[in-house]
Amino acid sequence: GAGVSQSPSNKVTEKGKDVELRCDPISGHTALYWYRQSLGQGLEFLIYFQGNSAPDKSGLPSDRFSAERTGGSVSTLTIQRTQQEDSAVYLCASSSGTYNEQFFGPGTRLTVL
Amino acid sequence: DQQVKQNSPSLSVQEGRISILNCDYTNSMFDYFLWYKKYPAEGPTFLISISSIKDKNEDGRFTVFLNKSAKHLSLHIVPSQPGDSAVYFCAATGNFGNEKLTFGTGTRLTIIP
Repeated sequence: GAGVSQSPSNKVTEKGKDVELRCDPISGHTALYWYRQSLGQGLEFLIYFQGNSAPDKSGLPSDRFSAERTGGSVSTLTIQRTQQEDSAVYLCASSSGTYNEQFFGPGTRLTVL
Repeated sequence: DQQVKQNSPSLSVQEGRISILNCDYTNSMFDYFLWYKKYPAEGPTFLISISSIKDKNEDGRFTVFLNKSAKHLSLHIVPSQPGDSAVYFCAATGNFGNEKLTFGTGTRLTIIP
């Protein structure tokens, strides 16, 4: 069956440019999460969408980062005016129900030159 | 402030022996704990979880132990197999799994044939 998909798989951009990362969750999953993993670090929570509730944005590192989830399905993470410290693997996960197991996509590797 | 800690960045174990991966946490509000396994260039995959109402959960070769008083959990893999070589992340969450995951920095497990 279809898992969580993310695009692009790799993105190289120049400092100061904006980037958009896309996540297609598992169909029917009500919760969607964005994390990132910087070199040598664990996974860092960014933002969490649950159904129609207001998203939990507590993990976003700056106001250059934003995310939306349209129609309760696809999500886009946008990073404006990228900086070199934004270079990381950005991972999306989705889940459904209590005792949720979060299913992760393969990630987008972002490199800011 | 690292709320979930994996103090061993790497571990090597002989094939067939037991692998023990450790994890400590500081947040008393965590009530659900998970282990994820990650291969290079892939997203993490769920391995096993445990609720704070239990102290042990077993699934085939994998067993997770939780010591709430010590705020410590461990993952036992026995017998270890070459395919177990991966990075293992410990994660914790509240509200019995309905919240964002807080991850440790991971332990790279290498199984020596």
